[in-house]
Amino acid sequence: AQKVTQTQTSISVMEKTTVTMDCVYETQDSSYFLFWYKQTASGEIVFLIRQDSYKKENATVGHYSLNFQKPKSSIGLIITATQIEDSAVYFCAMREVITGNTGKLIFGLGTTLQVQP
Amino acid sequence: NAGVIQTPRHKVTGKGQEATLWCEPISGHSAVFWYRQTIVQGLEFLTYFRNQAPIDDSGMPKERFSAQMPNQSHSTLKIQSTQPQDSAVYLCASSSGTYYEQYFGPGTRLTVL
Repeated sequence: AQKVTQTQTSISVMEKTTVTMDCVYETQDSSYFLFWYKQTASGEIVFLIRQDSYKKENATVGHYSLNFQKPKSSIGLIITATQIEDSAVYFCAMREVITGNTGKLIFGLGTTLQVQP
Repeated sequence: NAGVIQTPRHKVTGKGQEATLWCEPISGHSAVFWYRQTIVQGLEFLTYFRNQAPIDDSGMPKERFSAQMPNQSHSTLKIQSTQPQDSAVYLCASSSGTYYEQYFGPGTRLTVL
């Protein structure tokens, strides 16, 4: 069964620190894509970063990076030098390539990040 | 470059009325997706078009929901005989291909009284 689980409901950190958000997924496919999105207070959903399952290197974009641990079916999002404007809800999502090759994203329930000044 | 456009941003209907939601994908994107977001269920997939053809509607409640993509510049989601449980934010997303990241529109907040 396809499933994405984010166990952290909310996290609060101080500005300029590093935060890691956890995500584990379940899939029978040998090939899949993993994504992180951010939903701002206005409701806008913004794509942040992506990891292809066949790539061993962790993806990095700006101050976002991923900790991809394939044997553990885990894809953590790391945000360095956090800023107040990073406060948002962060969603982990998976797209299967073989079984679920329809392009649909399966989302976790999200982690709310609050960055304190 | 304009992002995904969704109209209306808010819609209020009475129980039993019809609601039509519109989506204009990013120009040049071949894949269009519809999702629904509620507090309880989170983000749920509804349906997917590729090059205007329906590919997967496995998330659509069959009896009252329908989606179309008559041309590459817009897609519609129609809900007949709306019920209070249909209240949600309906999100449209587009991507340049099946395996690429999806870009979301601002959503339409549907409230069924």
